[in-house]
Amino acid sequence: DTAVSQTPKYLVTQMGNDKSIKCEQNLGHDTMYWYKQDSKKFLKIMFSYNNKELIINETVPNRFSPKSPDKAHLNLHINSLELGDSAVYFCASSHRLFGETQYFGPGTRLLVL
Amino acid sequence: EDKVVQSPLSLVVHEGDTVTLNCSYEVTNFRSLLWYKQEKKAPTFLFMLTSSGIEKKSGRLSSILDKKELFSILNITATQTGDSAVYLCAVETNFGNEKLTFGTGTRLTIIP
Repeated sequence: DTAVSQTPKYLVTQMGNDKSIKCEQNLGHDTMYWYKQDSKKFLKIMFSYNNKELIINETVPNRFSPKSPDKAHLNLHINSLELGDSAVYFCASSHRLFGETQYFGPGTRLLVL
Repeated sequence: EDKVVQSPLSLVVHEGDTVTLNCSYEVTNFRSLLWYKQEKKAPTFLFMLTSSGIEKKSGRLSSILDKKELFSILNITATQTGDSAVYLCAVETNFGNEKLTFGTGTRLTIIP
C-alpha cells in the first residue's frame, strides 16, 4: 500500500548515458513533483505537473525532460548525464499545487561516474 | 519498513504561543533527521540532527533529537503568522539502505 513509489532506488551510470526514473502515486492526487536534493539537504523543485499538464518548470537543463502519461505517473528522463547530476531525486504528490502536505517517494540515488 | 510519524497532524494556535511538533521514527541504520518547512512552494530546509541531546537553534526555532527514544521535537516560540506552514520531518538512513523517509507533516496555523 505504498503511497508514492519510485524506481529505481539506486542508479549508477556513466557520463553521457541516458536514464529514466519512474514515479507512481496511488493517492488519487492531481499534482506531482520532481525535486533534486543537494548535498546540503536542500530540496530544489524541478518540475510540477497538475492533471498531466506541466505547470512548474524551474531552471533545469534541457537534458531533463518530465513525462506524465497519466495523473498517477510522472517520469523523469535525463539525457547525456553529467557528473553534476549526481544527487538524490525525490518525487512527491499532493491534491493540488502546494496546497497541502506533499507525500514524498523514497528517493532515487543517482551516481554518475 | 521504515516509518516516520508526526504529531499532531494539525495544530491551530494564537500568535505569541509556543508550539512543539513531534516526530518519531522506526528505521534501520539511522543516519540523520531533517526538518523542513513547507509553505506554498518547495520545502525549506530547517535543521539536520545527527546526535542525541544537542539542540539546534535558529531564531525562534529549535530542535533536538533523542536517539534512544527515537524521536525529535521542533519548538517554535513566540509564534508569528508567518510560521503558518506544514512542517515535515524526514529521516535519512545509510549503509546500503540510503533513503529519506518523510512523515506526513504537521499543519500549523497561527491565528493573529
